[in-house]
Amino acid sequence: AQKITQTQPGMFVQEKEAVTLDCTYDTSDPSYGLFWYKQPSSGEMIFLIYQGSYDQQNATEGRYSLNFQKARKSANLVISASQLGDSAMYFCAMREGPSSGTYKYIFGTGTRLKVLA
Amino acid sequence: GAVVSQHPSWVICKSGTSVKIECRSLDFQATTMFWYRQFPKQSLMLMATSNEGSKATYEQGVEKDKFLINHASLTLSTLTVTSAHPEDSSFYICSATSGLGTDTQYFGPGTRLTVL
Repeated sequence: AQKITQTQPGMFVQEKEAVTLDCTYDTSDPSYGLFWYKQPSSGEMIFLIYQGSYDQQNATEGRYSLNFQKARKSANLVISASQLGDSAMYFCAMREGPSSGTYKYIFGTGTRLKVLA
Repeated sequence: GAVVSQHPSWVICKSGTSVKIECRSLDFQATTMFWYRQFPKQSLMLMATSNEGSKATYEQGVEKDKFLINHASLTLSTLTVTSAHPEDSSFYICSATSGLGTDTQYFGPGTRLTVL
């Protein structure tokens, strides 16, 4: 079974509008972390935001916020006031463990976001 | 902070030769480094996890003798693709964690390998 699921292979959003990228996860580990990364066409993976499983509040970083619904096992990324530079591939990731002393990170299949002028 | 560099950014080599890719954490000590491979329009595929001073842990299906990983210091890990073949052509990307705080992975800019 998929541990990280991103159901939207592609999304379009109008410039200056908000967009939500979906991510659901599956784990039996009570302690885990959730991450979102942005990968522009240059290929670099840029860390955007982190949510810990015990965090009471949703994480926010500038225009990025994470809508964390623990009971539903979802960690959707919300980008407010979209900009043309937000066009990229977005990956959701989960950290489990540690197992054998090392954390395990699992990535989703990604969502390609295109911001329209 | 949390900058990871990777060198080279792209390399073209002949089939049968070996290629070494370096991954450095520039402003933090990386207790753990990860090596990923990414095919076009796909997600990252974890190849191996390396801890400083110990042998790398390879994922199932990744050939240890083909992809040699050395994590010699807390700021440097290297991936050597030995006897490269065209099917090894891919985007290789490393990441590093400090083992502190949220244990966020910070990624290098990636290396595009083309084997002729």
